[in-house]
Formats: sequence, C-alpha cells, structure tokens
Amino acid sequence: AQKVTQAQTEISVVEKEDVTLDCVYETRDTTYYLFWYKQPPSGELVFLIRRNSFDEQNEISGRYSWNFQKSTSSFNFTITASQVVDSAVYFCALSWETSGSRLTFGEGTQLTVNP
Amino acid sequence: NAGVTQTPKFQVLKTGQSMTLQCAQDMNHEYMSWYRQDPGMGLRLIHYSVGAGITDQGEVPNGYNVSRSTTEDFPLRLLSAAPSQTSVYFCASSYGWGSGNTIYFGEGSWLTVV
Repeated sequence: AQKVTQAQTEISVVEKEDVTLDCVYETRDTTYYLFWYKQPPSGELVFLIRRNSFDEQNEISGRYSWNFQKSTSSFNFTITASQVVDSAVYFCALSWETSGSRLTFGEGTQLTVNP
Repeated sequence: NAGVTQTPKFQVLKTGQSMTLQCAQDMNHEYMSWYRQDPGMGLRLIHYSVGAGITDQGEVPNGYNVSRSTTEDFPLRLLSAAPSQTSVYFCASSYGWGSGNTIYFGEGSWLTVV
C-alpha cells in the first residue's frame, strides 16, 4: 500500500526564518513520483515540484529547496528566509508505477509565517 | 487556455438532494480523477478514469457516482447528499503516468450539505 505521512500538522515561524516541512512515504514500487503542492488561503492547489524515484539530486528553486533521500524514504521541503506570502497548507503526494496518475496525499502541513 | 474547469465553485445542498459536480478539461487528457479534501486528512481519491468509458473506485467512493462518456468530461454525482459529504472537491487530469505526468487540478468546489 502507498502512504504519505506529514507529521507536522502546523508550523508557525517568524518572517525570515528558515523552515523545513517533513514528508515520509511508503511504497513497494521501485518507480514512483513525489510531489509537493501549495494550497494558499484562496484554496487552489499550486504545483511546486515533481521528483522521480531515480533522481535523488536535491533541487533548489529560489528560496525553495527539496531534499530527497531514498534511504530514509523522505522528501523534505525547505523554505529559506520565509515570507508572509508563504503562509499556506503544503501537501506532499506520491504516485506509483501503476497508479495512472492517481495521487496519495499526506495530511498536509499548515505553515503560518508571522511578520 | 482553460485547463481543468470545475463547476459550481460553491453549493449548498439539503440532506437527500442530488447534484452533479462538473469537471471538464480541454487538454485531451486520458486520465481524470476526483478527490475530496477534509481537514486533517489531505486529499482522498473518490473515483478515477483512465479513458472514455472506463472508471474505477478510489479510496472513498461510497455515496458518489461517475461516468466518462467523453474524454473531456468527468462529472461526479451525489445521488442523496449527506452532511458527511460536506467537503472541498477537486478534479484532476493528466496524460498519464511517467515522465510527462504533469497533473492539473481544477480550482475546487466547496460543497456544504445541511
């Protein structure tokens, strides 16, 4: 069975702090994709990143970075120098080889960045 | 440049009423899915389709019905609404699994059953 766990339900930081959102996944498939989505207060889902299981390189995009470690089945997301606009719910998700684009989502982490 | 279009965006239903959430995509995607989002539970898959005429159940299918008569449309039907179906519903589509698998989501439909 596929499972994604985001153990941090809520995180609150002060602007300019760095923050890491944790994601741990379970799957028996050797080929799979991991995703991060952002859901701002307006409610839509914003795609942030997709990573396949054969690419363990860390990725950086501006203030965002992702650390993929197959050894610990984790795909953590770090926001550097957080801003108030980063306040949102963040979801980690998994699709597997036979999923046909179906996603298994984690429970989400509510990030609040205070000025 | 419509992408995935969901209607209605907001709806209030009385218990026992029926309604259909519409989902349409203009990208010729084979794969379409419906999810519901509830507090503390992330998004859970209700039903999905891998092409016209083919549908299957997801994690939480009870109380919902789907059909896929065309590639473009994937409506979600609530036959007899219950308060437990109060949720935010998202439709998604993609070409499929693999390197080209960008999954597009609609903007969501907020449903309240009273």
